[in-house]
Amino acid sequence: VQLAQSGAEVKKPGASVKLSCKASGYTFTAYYLHWVRQGPRQGLEWLGWINPNSGGTRYAQNFQGRVTMTSDTSISTAYMELSSLTSDDTALYFCARSTPLGVRNFDPWGQGTLVTVSS
Amino acid sequence: DIQMTQSPSSLSASVGDRVTITCRASRSIANYLNWYQQKSGNAPKLLISAASSLQGGVPSRFSGSGSGTDFTLTISSLQPEDFATYYCQQSHSLFTFGGGTKVEIK
Repeated sequence: VQLAQSGAEVKKPGASVKLSCKASGYTFTAYYLHWVRQGPRQGLEWLGWINPNSGGTRYAQNFQGRVTMTSDTSISTAYMELSSLTSDDTALYFCARSTPLGVRNFDPWGQGTLVTVSS
Repeated sequence: DIQMTQSPSSLSASVGDRVTITCRASRSIANYLNWYQQKSGNAPKLLISAASSLQGGVPSRFSGSGSGTDFTLTISSLQPEDFATYYCQQSHSLFTFGGGTKVEIK
């Protein structure tokens, strides 16, 4: 089971960024995919999840209106787009898998994508 | 939203020490509590799920306990590879992480 994320991004304030997370080694539609970010020398912050089976999503309140999660089941890939970027969005962004039900731990995680927002 | 408070935020310990990290939820989360280990900006690794269920391949010196609002991660005999940052996470109501505990070499 692996999650492979897209490469680093550099964006200007006000722009959008779209990251990808390609899954392998399991049935893509049987698990949720989550996005978590970690600012410089900071802790972990959950952004939301997508259910690839239905396309359903749930976003953290802090990111509602600014984040969009999608998936393409034909290539087992999930995407996370974040808009209206500011310097506060500079962070390492991870995708992670969970079961749809039960305790829903995050395992495994992708390797992370560094997003830098700078003018 | 459920808040997760970890303590301490950092600690210094020696190889062989017993280390205990606590995590408190702002309201009851039953056993919907997971523990992760993160080294140097790499992706976190799941150690313990459902408060006390050790994941496959994780050494038995790690253990978790608790339910409701108070939880504990214990490392019975600290090894060199255990120096890292540890996070708790609640999955009872959406998802929230604790602030992390950095375990450093004394």
